Amino acid sequence: DQQVKQNSPSLSVQEGRISILNCDYTNSMFDYFLWYKKYPAEGPTFLISISSIKDKNEDGRFTVFLNKSAKHLSLHIVPSQPGDSAVYFCAAPLVQGAQKLVFGQGTRLTINP
Amino acid sequence: GAVVSQHPSRVICKSGTSVKIECRSLDFQATTMFWYRQFPKKSLMLMATSNEGSKATYEQGVEKDKFLINHASLTLSTLTVTSAHPEDSSFYICSASFQGQGEAFFGQGTRLTVV
Repeated sequence: DQQVKQNSPSLSVQEGRISILNCDYTNSMFDYFLWYKKYPAEGPTFLISISSIKDKNEDGRFTVFLNKSAKHLSLHIVPSQPGDSAVYFCAAPLVQGAQKLVFGQGTRLTINP
Repeated sequence: GAVVSQHPSRVICKSGTSVKIECRSLDFQATTMFWYRQFPKKSLMLMATSNEGSKATYEQGVEKDKFLINHASLTLSTLTVTSAHPEDSSFYICSASFQGQGEAFFGQGTRLTVV
């Protein structure tokens, strides 16, 4: 049972434009969500998170939006840069307050110059 | 941020042999570490929770006799893939956090290829 889903395996965006990566979840008990960035042959690095008590969290070029009623979150990157090309995973803790994470399938973002 | 180091980053072994992967927290003590596995073009799947000084807890479907986990100190957890088979070939990643709280930091991952 895929509790966190990223239905777009890949996304191509022009440099300077906005990248929007989507994530859906099925478990309404999730109260915290994270986005990780991963380069090939490397471990994921934390990017940004959001608590379920918020609907938006912003950090520089990265903004995460949460729509609890739709069980949907999205990561916006603007402006997109070539270095943003990577695989992006959304994740949620399996247990509240813990670091056991369930991940989405990932979306490969390619930024074209 | 905190640093978690995995070793080796890449290993090739013969079928039937065992391989040990180390996960170290370099600048903090981690009472809990987690081991994940990633199949090609797939998500990271949690395999087990490594608890310092006690037995690991395994997720459903993960063979504990095949994937031995030892968390002997607050900075080191090891995953041993025993009697490796080609289907064990995968990318294995560990994560650790401060006393089980806050953000989890990931190691660089280990690419295991069993031939």
